[in-house]
Amino acid sequence: DIQMTQSPSSLSASVGDRVSITCRASQSIGSHLNWYQQKPGKAPKLLIHGTSTLQYGVPSRFSGSGSGTHFTLTVSSLQPEDFATYFCQQSYDTPRTFGQGTKVEIK
Amino acid sequence: QVQLMESGGGVVQPGRSLRLSCAASGFTFSNYVMHWVRQVPGKELEWVAVISNDGSDTYSADSVKGRFTISRDNSKSTLYLQMNSLRADDTAVYYCARENDISGWFFDYWGLGTLVTVSS
Repeated sequence: DIQMTQSPSSLSASVGDRVSITCRASQSIGSHLNWYQQKPGKAPKLLIHGTSTLQYGVPSRFSGSGSGTHFTLTVSSLQPEDFATYFCQQSYDTPRTFGQGTKVEIK
Repeated sequence: QVQLMESGGGVVQPGRSLRLSCAASGFTFSNYVMHWVRQVPGKELEWVAVISNDGSDTYSADSVKGRFTISRDNSKSTLYLQMNSLRADDTAVYYCARENDISGWFFDYWGLGTLVTVSS
């Protein structure tokens, strides 16, 4: 199975900050990397698929980059509604594996 | 609009069985691969099982292989997860998710989840 490792596991930031979350795959997954946002008590929500394609309706302050084994989710200017947990997921192979999550908290 | 609605969760004793359902609406269910994903509240997401659009192919995580069976009824637009020999570590919120395959594969819609608690 492909292992996905996110860092950091949590971070504290202020509204307006630029934040980045890293996701590493245990083997090359090309560009088959997706990002999800999850708020407490809610289902995950797709943000970005295929490394860098924004899902419909997702604000442009979110962006994704990377390839192979190293990927990054960046929020250019953190908004109050962005405080949540973020998960990466590889869709290169089955089983579809997820990172352990990064919790973004208010500083 | 696309909707996925899970049901069938609850409290069950270790060793017993439970069947989850996921009712789909707002799209042509038979065109999509479907998955089950679970999550212990506050923890990471764990992929559970996948089924092809016509139900002919299935694949399960090692942690549930031989105990859980994924199936679907396209005539009813419903996905199922039959869970047998339940253990305490199966306690989680179970989500169904639709996989889209436009330029890659990703879970574009998720249900609200149904909580399964395995406890004596």
